[in-house]
Amino acid sequence: GQQLNQSPQSMFIQEGEDVSMNCTSSSIFNTWLWYKQDPGEGPVLLIALYKAGELTSNGRLTAQFGITRKDSFLNISASIPSDVGIYFCAGQSSGTYKYIFGTGTRLKVLA
Amino acid sequence: DVKVTQSSRYLVKRTGEKVFLECVQDMDHENMFWYRQDPGLGLRLIYFSYDVKMKEKGDIPEGYSVSREKKERFSLILESASTNQTSMYLCASLENTGELFFGEGSRLTVL
Repeated sequence: GQQLNQSPQSMFIQEGEDVSMNCTSSSIFNTWLWYKQDPGEGPVLLIALYKAGELTSNGRLTAQFGITRKDSFLNISASIPSDVGIYFCAGQSSGTYKYIFGTGTRLKVLA
Repeated sequence: DVKVTQSSRYLVKRTGEKVFLECVQDMDHENMFWYRQDPGLGLRLIYFSYDVKMKEKGDIPEGYSVSREKKERFSLILESASTNQTSMYLCASLENTGELFFGEGSRLTVL
């Protein structure tokens, strides 16, 4: 099945640094979702975006729905060790219940 | 909070055995999904259901079937498990807002 391009694939950062990752698609989406997944666990929904240009925050996390509707961005400010995990995006086109998922960004935080 | 509960976190089965994975959601959602997640392949849709007794094949339905007799419960069935079905299985339930909520996952090993 189709997957969305997500970058970077992985990153090591120092505690306290800000993190940015993005997701791109060849298709236009109406909804973008961002998730965090810990090893052996199910993905946890972080942020949902519904409108082009929308900027939404959840604590230290901020996500944006790209103006072209073909991309989305997630920023984590002042990272802490518990931010370690895999982050992935999901996009949904109009007229379908199905989501397409990103390839994931593995984040490792060095204390 | 939306709760999606998968019946088994870890299962070990033998080749040829029948396997049932159950998923229950408590938010009266119409749309429920079964995915499998494998390293390097991301999340792949097996089946989804848009109402009681209604189902639609996803991207990789071969070797699987599903059952939705009650709105809150969506079951994934492996009629005759094979080693290539060793995977992490994730159930998800879709809110009217477009938010997709996942269960904790079921790690299946087929020997």
